[in-house]
Amino acid sequence: EVQLVESGGALVQPGGSLRLSCVASGFTFSSEWMNWVRQVPGEGLEWVAYIKQDGSEQYYVDSAKGRFSISRDNAKNSLVLQMNSLRVEDTAIYYCASGLQPVWGWGQGTLVTVSS
Amino acid sequence: AVQMTQSPSSLSASVGDRVTITCRASQGIRYDLGWYQQKPGKAPKLLIYAVSSLQRGVPSRFSGSGSGTDFSLTIKSVQPEDSATYYCLQDHNYPPTFGLGTKLEIK
Repeated sequence: EVQLVESGGALVQPGGSLRLSCVASGFTFSSEWMNWVRQVPGEGLEWVAYIKQDGSEQYYVDSAKGRFSISRDNAKNSLVLQMNSLRVEDTAIYYCASGLQPVWGWGQGTLVTVSS
Repeated sequence: AVQMTQSPSSLSASVGDRVTITCRASQGIRYDLGWYQQKPGKAPKLLIYAVSSLQRGVPSRFSGSGSGTDFSLTIKSVQPEDSATYYCLQDHNYPPTFGLGTKLEIK
C-alpha cells in the first residue's frame, strides 16, 4: 500500500523557520519526482516545489524562491521542505505528493500556521 | 505560468445526472492534464491522468477528454459519494498549475 506521511507542521511566528518531512512507503521512492503542494483551508490547491528523482533538480513557485528548500534522501525514502522567512500567507496545509505527469499519490497533509 | 480556467465553480446535480466540468489552458499542454477529487478534510485523489486515462480503482462513470487547451471531466451517472470538489492540474509546463476547483453538490 502506498503511504506518504507528513510531519512537522506547527504554529510559527512570521519570519520564523519550519522543516516539514515526508516519509514514503509502498513504492520505489527513488524512481519518482516528488512534490510539495499546499492548500489554504477552504481554498484551492497550489503547487509549491518539486525535486527530481536523484535530487539534481529542484523547482519552486515564485513565492517560495529564496525562502524554501526541497530535498530528499532516497536511502531513507524521505522528502523535506525547509521553510525560512515564513509569512502569514504561507499558512496552509502542506501535502507531500508523488509523481509527475501525473502527480499520483498524496499524503494526508500537515498544517502550518504562521501567526504572531 | 499556464493559467487553468475551470468551470463551473460550483454545480448541483441529482443522482443519476450526467455532469461535465471543463478546464481551459492558457496555452497548449499536450496530454499532461489530470483530474483530482477532494472531499472535505481529505487529501486530493487522482481520478484521471493524461487527459483520459482512468486511474486504477476509480469507477468507470468518470471519464476525461480533450486536447490542446480544452479539457473536460464527465461523470456519467452521478452518485451520492461523488459530492466533492474537483480540480484539474496541468504539469506539462513549469510551474504546475491547478484550476480553481468545482464544488459538486448532490441534491
